[in-house]
Amino acid sequence: QSALTQPRSVSGSPGQSVTISCTGTSTDVAAYNYVSWYQQYPGKAPKLIIYEVNKRPSGVPDRFSGSKSGFTASLTISGLQAEDEADYYCCSYAGTYFYYVFGTGSKVTVL
Amino acid sequence: EVQLVESGGGLVQPGGSLRLSCVASGFTFTNYWMTWVRQTPGKGLEWVANIKQDGSEKFYVDSVKGRFTISRDNARNLLYLQMNNLRVDDAAVYYCARDLNPSPVDHWGQGTLVTVSS
Repeated sequence: QSALTQPRSVSGSPGQSVTISCTGTSTDVAAYNYVSWYQQYPGKAPKLIIYEVNKRPSGVPDRFSGSKSGFTASLTISGLQAEDEADYYCCSYAGTYFYYVFGTGSKVTVL
Repeated sequence: EVQLVESGGGLVQPGGSLRLSCVASGFTFTNYWMTWVRQTPGKGLEWVANIKQDGSEKFYVDSVKGRFTISRDNARNLLYLQMNNLRVDDAAVYYCARDLNPSPVDHWGQGTLVTVSS
């Protein structure tokens, strides 16, 4: 099972919106509505920010939103803030053999 | 507050063994699947293995099958990963995480570094 494909880097100015794509296959992203997104700062553990495509855990700002269409899931950060500069990873459930497949990761830079 | 604290990482030679441990607190351990995920600069995040609440089901990524064993001690809120016949490409930060199976992996420990080198 190959990693899900994400752009290596995405950038935007404060207040702008950025969208990160996550492309998978018929056996992961397209097959299940179990796509999650993680935010990771250098040297820290990943933090869940979106689950089941578009749900936010308690405490995650509503600036973060998720969606999915076919083989591609997306994370949008609206009203970009300096603190959003981090690495972002998508993850999809892929059935009980491959279980979880992660994306290649995207670095968000706030200009 | 959910807390997961890993330990047991270190430097090991190729072919060697290590056992990682993870102590859980702040939630009812016996109600959840648990997962190990590893991260390397080159390959990013990779799911390694997970285990059902009572230990009756275990799943592994192909690259570790036959070499790694996941287990848990529900009486002590402990999760383990026994890693045998380690290879250079097993070197990574290993995270213990709570698994809501089938998704998401919602809380992660701080990670423990495994280095495999001669």
